[in-house]
Amino acid sequence: GAVVSQHPSRVICKSGTSVKIECRSLDFQATTMFWYRQFPKQSLMLMATSNEGSKATYEQGVEKDKFLINHASLTLSTLTVTSAHPEDSSFYICSARAGPYGYTFGSGTRLTVV
Amino acid sequence: GQQVMQIPQYQHVQEGEDFTTYCNSSTTLSNIQWYKQRPGGHPVFLIQLVKSGEVKKQKRLTFQFGEAKKNSSLHITATQTTDVGTYFCAVNTGNQFYFGTGTSLTVIP
Repeated sequence: GAVVSQHPSRVICKSGTSVKIECRSLDFQATTMFWYRQFPKQSLMLMATSNEGSKATYEQGVEKDKFLINHASLTLSTLTVTSAHPEDSSFYICSARAGPYGYTFGSGTRLTVV
Repeated sequence: GQQVMQIPQYQHVQEGEDFTTYCNSSTTLSNIQWYKQRPGGHPVFLIQLVKSGEVKKQKRLTFQFGEAKKNSSLHITATQTTDVGTYFCAVNTGNQFYFGTGTSLTVIP
């Protein structure tokens, strides 16, 4: 089946540094990828929609200069959290449409900013 | 963005009891999907409903799409401890994909 590989699974960084999260579609091409953030015991909140070869579409309230998204190829999308702060600590997860049924998700990245 | 409400937010059941979660939208949906997220895991696709009034079954799980395509439900018969997790509905509005608020299910052995 369709697989999305997401790395790293966990990252701890110092406040003020940047962190890059990668999502790769392993056996299919993903022209669109979705990036979500999930706080403990809450739902997944869509942050942005990443489109291959064009600018990402950000949801209202999401700072595009802070959460940089690059979708340079049909199999790779990256999310960079710039100048991270403790309030950015969260579970970040990507997903892509895998055929006519459903969306497949990466395994998620737990970011802790100290 | 799209708002999809789910109720209840939390549900504790004794093993063997039934469980139902409801998803409601203020707008007509073209389709709705259901996902299960185990604690510490990522969402896993369960099913997609497209037709008005559609009912689909997967073993002990029954999924229903409302006649007006504004609501959906997931019913689990005779819950087991393996059913523990958070169940989300999700809607695709063309270019964006939104999750409902989720229902966290705890099954007491």
